[in-house]
Amino acid sequence: AQKITQTQPGMFVQEKEAVTLDCTYDTSDQSYGLFWYKQPSSGEMIFLIYQGSYDEQNATEGRYSLNFQKARKSANLVISASQLGDSAMYFCAMREGRGTSYGKLTFGQGTILTVHP
Amino acid sequence: ETGVTQTPRHLVMGMTNKKSLKCEQHLGHNAMYWYKQSAKKPLELMFVYNFKEQTENNSVPSRFSPECPNSSHLFLHLHTLQPEDSALYLCASSQDAGPYNEQFFGPGTRLTVL
Repeated sequence: AQKITQTQPGMFVQEKEAVTLDCTYDTSDQSYGLFWYKQPSSGEMIFLIYQGSYDEQNATEGRYSLNFQKARKSANLVISASQLGDSAMYFCAMREGRGTSYGKLTFGQGTILTVHP
Repeated sequence: ETGVTQTPRHLVMGMTNKKSLKCEQHLGHNAMYWYKQSAKKPLELMFVYNFKEQTENNSVPSRFSPECPNSSHLFLHLHTLQPEDSALYLCASSQDAGPYNEQFFGPGTRLTVL
């Protein structure tokens, strides 16, 4: 079974609108970290936001927020007030805290976001 | 601005060549990683070094040989590669290899094997 699932291969949003990128994960660990990265066409992976499994508040970083629903094992990224520069591939990732997967960062397939003017 | 640099940014090599990819981090981190990103596939972890010790080899073929002389530098030595090894190779670093530390990535080396 895939550990990270991003069901949206591509998303489109109008400039200045908000957009939600979906991510679900699969783990039996109680201790894990969830991450979102942005990859522009240049190839560099840019860290956006982090959510720990024990964090009670949803993480926020500027225009990025993470809608963490632990019972549903979902960690959706919300980008508010989209900008043209937000057009990129977005990856959800997880690091588990125990067992043979300790510390390993597992990525989803990614979602290509296109922001229209 | 990234604290992780990679050289070269682009590399074209034949199957009989030997080349090396270099990664350097200026963040004071103790863990470094190599990832492979092929077209239409998720990032694949290749190697993990934590405090200069290799802690993960994700069943990578021996034609890829990592080297970590200190916590700031990581190399990936390449020899007798195959065309299917063409991909973007990304280096990353984090404070340590635990689950709560974000990884910071370099810009990648775009490798083409002819």
